[in-house]
Amino acid sequence: KNEVEQSPQNLTAQEGEFITINCSYSVGISALHWLQQHPGGGIVSLFMLSSGKKKHGRLIATINIQEKHSSLHITASHPRDSAVYICADPNTGNQFYFGTGTSLTVIP
Amino acid sequence: ETGVTQTPRHLVMGMTNKKSLKCEQHLGHNAMYWYKQSAKKPLELMFVYNFKEQTENNSVPSRFSPECPNSSHLFLHLHTLQPEDSALYLCASSQLTGTQTGELFFGEGSRLTVL
Repeated sequence: KNEVEQSPQNLTAQEGEFITINCSYSVGISALHWLQQHPGGGIVSLFMLSSGKKKHGRLIATINIQEKHSSLHITASHPRDSAVYICADPNTGNQFYFGTGTSLTVIP
Repeated sequence: ETGVTQTPRHLVMGMTNKKSLKCEQHLGHNAMYWYKQSAKKPLELMFVYNFKEQTENNSVPSRFSPECPNSSHLFLHLHTLQPEDSALYLCASSQLTGTQTGELFFGEGSRLTVL
């Protein structure tokens, strides 16, 4: 069974700060997903990456397959970035393993 | 708007009631999922349907009964639930190609309260 661990569990930042959320997994994977869940429940897929780095606006995701580690970075954080960020490993096919999430609060 | 629509958004039911959750995806995906999200716990996979065929039942109690009449619609039938079944139930879809799956697209979730 793949263990997916995230850190930190909770994070509070001032607006404008650079934020890093980490994800470690125990079994080699083909791709890692980063998801964002806003209060109210809806979940949005942010990234799916299998190597290197991807960037979308102020969000950057990196992955190191050898170290079984991925990071999600947010530059120039904004209160609207406040959400729960979840990493997920699709394992073989589509049997996803999810981290417990990192709850981010950005204060104006 | 993610292309995955869930109804109802909120549901309150007694332990003897029968109700259903509905999910519809407009993305042409071939895989659909039901997940349960309880407070402070990771998302738990309940059921997976690939090409309308159920491929995973993650030890879910029989009081939850899924139905997938076609690749665009997924139901979760609920009967004689327990208060501990109160949670957010999320539907998702993705495109499965061989053994690889693409991005997950989630619905807004159905918040279930069992009294």
